[in-house]
Amino acid sequence: DTGVSQNPRHKITKRGQNVTFRCDPISEHNRLYWYRQTLGQGPEFLTYFQNEAQLEKSRLLSDRFSAERPKGSFSTLEIQRTEQGDSAMYLCASSLFDGNTIYFGEGSWLTVV
Amino acid sequence: DQQVKQNSPSLSVQEGRISILNCDYTNSMFDYFLWYKKYPAEGPTFLISISSIKDKNEDGRFTVFLNKSAKHLSLHIVPSQPGDSAVYFCAASVMKTSYDKVIFGPGTSLSVIP
Repeated sequence: DTGVSQNPRHKITKRGQNVTFRCDPISEHNRLYWYRQTLGQGPEFLTYFQNEAQLEKSRLLSDRFSAERPKGSFSTLEIQRTEQGDSAMYLCASSLFDGNTIYFGEGSWLTVV
Repeated sequence: DQQVKQNSPSLSVQEGRISILNCDYTNSMFDYFLWYKKYPAEGPTFLISISSIKDKNEDGRFTVFLNKSAKHLSLHIVPSQPGDSAVYFCAASVMKTSYDKVIFGPGTSLSVIP
């Protein structure tokens, strides 16, 4: 399977704990995106990378959130000191540099209890 | 400030009939538009797209129409099938510059009744 891969698919954590999600994009894609989706809403942009450079961060991405793409391949999204409001589906997507379409992974569900 | 709007949260259509999903946008800089389909507990799947230089794009049962003057686009599905039941997201981006994040609408839940 050469699609976007995300893990873990589901994570339940206690408030205050740290969580990390991993995304492996489609291999030839050099752009990688993180989105967040809550019930009844469309995906909300969080951040994106072109190769290893993080080119934009949304205001939604508070100081507790950090994303990395150290070698321009896979990416991690870490949430520190989780809060109940962080409960959502975290979606990763990738695209070619000159591609007009982004392709999503299956998403990682986070539940903060 | 919602730049991409889908004013119908839900839509029900009989199997075999046409489904029309609507989308409006406010940012005149958008020049590329996409539709995604999403089943529960899965990521969105790309369906069809259209560039602002066109007013129609067709792919099998799916056709997207773009009315730039009205800042409106629509997705037509004909004939509708029960497997089309899902949430449909309209999305838009600015492709002329390197600043090309994709902005999504809130989605329309389509139910196709057998």
